[in-house]
Amino acid sequence: ILNVEQSPQSLHVQEGDSTNFTCSFPSSNFYALHWYRWETAKSPEALFVMTLNGDEKKKGRISATLNTKEGYSYLYIKGSQPEDSATYLCASPNTGNQFYFGTGTSLTVIP
Amino acid sequence: DAGITQSPRHKVTETGTPVTLRCHQTENHRYMYWYRQDPGHGLRLIHYSYGVKDTDKGEVSDGYSVSRSKTEDFLLTLESATSSQTSVYFCAISGGNSPLHFGNGTRLTVT
Repeated sequence: ILNVEQSPQSLHVQEGDSTNFTCSFPSSNFYALHWYRWETAKSPEALFVMTLNGDEKKKGRISATLNTKEGYSYLYIKGSQPEDSATYLCASPNTGNQFYFGTGTSLTVIP
Repeated sequence: DAGITQSPRHKVTETGTPVTLRCHQTENHRYMYWYRQDPGHGLRLIHYSYGVKDTDKGEVSDGYSVSRSKTEDFLLTLESATSSQTSVYFCAISGGNSPLHFGNGTRLTVT
């Protein structure tokens, strides 16, 4: 079992604000770090798959960075919009491709 | 997602009865997973499969069993349902080195 942690648990921001949250994971035997976006009443959808130390991924206003040596990843949202409201999950697989998730960061963007 | 289907979508059952949830995929992916979603816990891995007839326990496997007799189907069985198993259950698939794709979830209520 991998101990994957996310902070903060929830976040409320005003429309137009930029925000970021953290995922921490065991740095030993690292394989990959995934970010998912989970909207209410839907299923989680993959945002990024990151594997290399120093990786930076970007999709529109959302970006992510990875530090495998210290065991953390940041997700950034620039200029938050109400449609960004969702729970953001990170997950890391072990050697057997079992994925363990953090408890998520719930983001609410206030218009 | 058209490539993965869960059934039933909703189920109400009584304590002590057996329940089977089905996950069906059309992607021919090797890996299949069952997660449960509970407030404050995020997604927790129940069981997973890495091939036909190859399964392993996750972090919350007590009270659950699984079977995978063919690539496309992964069944989750609650041998004798308890109220603590009231939850939303998600199936996910992966081809390995790729993100998870989730089904639409099954809401199970044990009365």
